[in-house]
Amino acid sequence: EAAVTQSPRNKVTVTGGNVTLSCRQTNSHNYMYWYRQDTGHGLRLIHYSYGAGNLQIGDVPDGYKATRTTQEDFFLLLELASPSQTSLYFCASSGGQGTNERLFFGHGTKLSVL
Amino acid sequence: QQKVQQSPESLIVPEGAMTSLNCTFSDSASQYFAWYRQHSGKAPKALMSIFSNGEKEEGRFTIHLNKASLHFSLHIRDSQPSDSALYLCALPNTGYQNFYFGKGTSLTVIP
Repeated sequence: EAAVTQSPRNKVTVTGGNVTLSCRQTNSHNYMYWYRQDTGHGLRLIHYSYGAGNLQIGDVPDGYKATRTTQEDFFLLLELASPSQTSLYFCASSGGQGTNERLFFGHGTKLSVL
Repeated sequence: QQKVQQSPESLIVPEGAMTSLNCTFSDSASQYFAWYRQHSGKAPKALMSIFSNGEKEEGRFTIHLNKASLHFSLHIRDSQPSDSALYLCALPNTGYQNFYFGKGTSLTVIP
């Protein structure tokens, strides 16, 4: 079973604070994704990447930065956190078309911005 | 951008019932269609997928795809309490770099 590990599991910060969410995959997948999940909105894509050094903008990127440092590691950065960013964040990886199209998700990070 | 909509939003069925979940999409060129299941407090996990029109069965689960009507569905035969979860449909964009999810159907199976 493909493995995606997120840290931390839970995070509480204050408005204006800096937060970094980490994700590591050991699947040798090219694609990595950051989603947020909110009641009434479902899963929404923030940023994604198809390799080290690459970054693509998703559907709800405002207030978020991301960086893919290696094939395995993808980080999500909130530099001035706001209460609207309180959410459940999921990282995922996939092999892409023709290899393994399924998304494999991490267990999620619950972020609260007070 | 692909538009994905699911119905119903929530569903309560008795154990043993047939459950049907629906997903509509906007891009007729879509080539891959997937269902994910998310148990409470857990990560979404791929359940089934289909590439071409028709039907695909795996155990108690069946996917129906009708590209012409921009609709695909998931049917659960003999629903079990362990099937209680949030069900998400998902489609990729043309290059498979990005996946669009519906908002989900919350299924509760009553013993």
